[in-house]
Amino acid sequence: ETGVTQTPRHLVMGMTNKKSLKCEQHLGHNAMYWYKQSAKKPLELMFVYSLEERVENNSVPSRFSPECPNSSHLFLHLHTLQPEDSALYLCASSPAEGTGELFFGEGSRLTVL
Amino acid sequence: GQQLNQSPQSMFIQEGEDVSMNCTSSSIFNTWLWYKQDPGEGPVLLIALYKAGELTSNGRLTAQFGITRKDSFLNISASIPSDVGIYFCAGREANFGNEKLTFGTGTRLTIIP
Repeated sequence: ETGVTQTPRHLVMGMTNKKSLKCEQHLGHNAMYWYKQSAKKPLELMFVYSLEERVENNSVPSRFSPECPNSSHLFLHLHTLQPEDSALYLCASSPAEGTGELFFGEGSRLTVL
Repeated sequence: GQQLNQSPQSMFIQEGEDVSMNCTSSSIFNTWLWYKQDPGEGPVLLIALYKAGELTSNGRLTAQFGITRKDSFLNISASIPSDVGIYFCAGREANFGNEKLTFGTGTRLTIIP
């Protein structure tokens, strides 16, 4: 079992669809993150959860809605996305928020038509 | 926000060659990290640096935390095919209340047969 698991690996959705990305970590970490990776741009931090509480929301549009039901699971709910939201969405965890030593999942490749 | 200048953007080398890449910032950092991302995977932490002047090795990889605290270097000796991928630097500013992790845009390493 890998440390951080993301599903689905690939997702194609229309602009009116509702879908969710799921992340699960088996490392006993207390912090979880969502990052967006677009071509030729630095990784963009979207959300940070520490001990299941959201500690940072980086001015992300409301069409992205995170959920952290417990310290091992993190979701990203998607609704009425735009084509420019197509990207690789990476989940990560760390022992505590603020260490910088992140353990990433393999990512969910999202395409919005 | 803070931006990291990572160079070069891409490198084409032959197997066995040494590789050098670097990252610079306009602010003082208290943490530098280097990650590698293989195709279709999430980034994996290679080396973490926490003190100015620190030189740390991980196998054939060596990274240094610059004395000015505004730069970091990663060297790979005697490159092999599995070194192919994208290398990202990441840093954390030394300002209390702004401990956000900033990523560089990456250096894509290709090995020419």
